Amino acid sequence: NAGVTQTPKFRILKIGQSMTLQCTQDMNHNYMYWYRQDPGMGLKLIYYSVGAGITDKGEVPNGYNVSRSTTEDFPLRLELAAPSQTSVYFCASSYSAGFEAFFGQGTRLTVV
Amino acid sequence: DAKTTQPNSMESNEEEPVHLPCNHSTISGTDYIHWYRQLPSQGPEYVIHGLTSNVNNRMASLAIAEDRKSSTLILHRATLRDAAVYYCILRDGGATNKLIFGTGTLLAVQP
Repeated sequence: NAGVTQTPKFRILKIGQSMTLQCTQDMNHNYMYWYRQDPGMGLKLIYYSVGAGITDKGEVPNGYNVSRSTTEDFPLRLELAAPSQTSVYFCASSYSAGFEAFFGQGTRLTVV
Repeated sequence: DAKTTQPNSMESNEEEPVHLPCNHSTISGTDYIHWYRQLPSQGPEYVIHGLTSNVNNRMASLAIAEDRKSSTLILHRATLRDAAVYYCILRDGGATNKLIFGTGTLLAVQP
């Protein structure tokens, strides 16, 4: 049982470049989330999805886009990367509020 | 989104019980109380959750006040491996099921 898988684990981007962080889960969870965690800080919700075809903004959505075409996948797109987007990104999934959420191992992104 | 308040840091001795408090005075009737922890350089890890009644699992116990405005995570015998940031989160049981993290409590465990 793979759980929540994030790729890549590490990435260095140049300012202005774009990339997609991949997140996939094999637990048939409806709810999926993207977070960023800056050094020494807590997790901030970027975007979330309550099911295929439905996404919504979280606390810090600027500079990011998401899509949810399947239940399994929830990619996060960075357009025009900026140094302020240097962070560790975590993806999570869950059945619902009454169940535990599972987190991926994170993607460490550096924008230079 | 309902907010939680936790102490910034706490200390414990190895093999002693630890009580981590959380205040959530604006909790709504559909909010679940979740606890997660984050070990250094790792992703968050589920610890326990509850709605109204106290809960026990292999990792910890969760004591929920009768009015649900506060809760306490109990680690029965702290080990060095329990040193982490512990997050108390109110999870909306309505349409969004959002999971919003606060600042958490940094638990240090002394040998």
